[in-house]
Amino acid sequence: KAGVTQTPRYLIKTRGQQVTLSCSPISGHRSVSWYQQTPGQGLQFLFEYFSETQRNKGNFPGRFSGRQFSNSRSEMNVSTLELGDSALYLCASRRGDYGYTFGSGTRLTVV
Amino acid sequence: QQQVKQSPQSLIVQKGGISIINCAYENTAFDYFPWYQQFPGKGPALLIAIRPDVSEKKEGRFTISFNKSAKQFSLHIMDSQPGDSATYFCAASPKNQGGKLIFGQGTELSVKP
Repeated sequence: KAGVTQTPRYLIKTRGQQVTLSCSPISGHRSVSWYQQTPGQGLQFLFEYFSETQRNKGNFPGRFSGRQFSNSRSEMNVSTLELGDSALYLCASRRGDYGYTFGSGTRLTVV
Repeated sequence: QQQVKQSPQSLIVQKGGISIINCAYENTAFDYFPWYQQFPGKGPALLIAIRPDVSEKKEGRFTISFNKSAKQFSLHIMDSQPGDSATYFCAASPKNQGGKLIFGQGTELSVKP
C-alpha cells in the first residue's frame, strides 16, 4: 500500500519567488493536512482540506495557501518567499477521524 | 491559548532501560492525544494514541499514561533499543477540529548499546 507521496523532495528558491508543493494522499484518504517543521518553531499546522474544501487553518500569513482536487491530491503554495519560510513541509492524510499518516516532506530552502 | 509542553528536550537511555517522555497541556478542549516518532529525513510516524476517557494504553513496548485531572500524558518505552533512537513528539487534537494537531517541541531520544 503506497504511503503519502510528496513532491519534490528538495527545493531551492530565491526570496520573492513563489513555490508550489504537491501531495498525493493514501488511496481512499479524503482528508489532507499540511504542516511546517522548523528547528525553532517545531511542527506547526498550516491547513486541512476535506473534499476540496478548507476545513481548518493555522496561524500563517495569507502568502500560504492550498487547495485540494477531486482525487484528494493537494497542493500548497507559498508566494513572495521569505528566508524564514525555509522549512520541511509535511503533508498528512487520513480516512476517518484522527490517525494521520505523514509523508516524508519537501525540504524548501529559500536563499 | 492552546499549547502542549514536552519534556525533556533530549534523553539518553541505556539499552534495555525505560524511556519516559512527558507532555502537559493547558487547554481542556482536546480529545485525542497521539505520539509520533520521527527519524532523520522522514516524516513523523504514528506510534500510539489515546483518548481522554482512557487512563492507559499499551501497544507492545510502548505505553501511554494519561492523567486528565493533571492535564498530563506520558510515553513509556520499555526495554529501549538502539533502533528506538529518534525524535518523539506528543500532540493533541482540539475538539471538533480533528484535522488539526498541536505538537510538543519534541524529545531527541538516544539509546546507547
